[in-house]
Amino acid sequence: DAMVIQNPRYQVTQFGKPVTLSCSQTLNHNVMYWYQQKSSQAPKLLFHYYDKDFNNEADTPDNFQSRRPNTSFCFLDIRSPGLGDAAMYLCATSRGLGARHPYNEQFFGPGTRLTVL
Amino acid sequence: AQRVTQPEKLLSVFKGAPVELKCNYSYSGSPELFWYVQYSRQRLQLLLRHISRESIKGFTADLNKGETSFHLKKPFAQEEDSAMYYCALSASSNTGKLIFGQGTTLQVKP
Repeated sequence: DAMVIQNPRYQVTQFGKPVTLSCSQTLNHNVMYWYQQKSSQAPKLLFHYYDKDFNNEADTPDNFQSRRPNTSFCFLDIRSPGLGDAAMYLCATSRGLGARHPYNEQFFGPGTRLTVL
Repeated sequence: AQRVTQPEKLLSVFKGAPVELKCNYSYSGSPELFWYVQYSRQRLQLLLRHISRESIKGFTADLNKGETSFHLKKPFAQEEDSAMYYCALSASSNTGKLIFGQGTTLQVKP
């Protein structure tokens, strides 16, 4: 089945130790998104890639970076995780931008739950 | 500011009872609204979008611009409807950005 895969499902890191979360897709979608969801809060968009074009949300901390080496993979790098970065990180994909068009429905991965000790 | 508010964290009903999950939004332009659902141990998935005016799994939602609401309704709840429901807003036709509400857990009791 075509899908969005996130590895690992659970990640534990230490305060200040860099960590990388991985997302891959078999949907051949142009757009890949990273959302952060803290406990009991709404998912919040951090950034997205349209093909190789990176688009950062204005309020995304500099501590968060992303890489997309090819169509299938996208990584979320947290350079110096703090306790406040503990959250569920959701990857999503869509064919194109413009969430209003049914063609551009976003498909989500299962998420990676990050714990910072 | 663009914002989506779901005032109820938890809604508990009995099987067969009507369900209404509330969603209010704040947006000055012409929004598009969505409902996403997350069943236990499954990923977030689109349930319905207002522009389609469709009924999915018996759920409907009507956009009320006067009240800035997009409440999700179902006349007769089923146990399999138990899940987390998120209301989301697309604020621009040019981006994929979705603004989510905090979610409401629907619990349907037998």
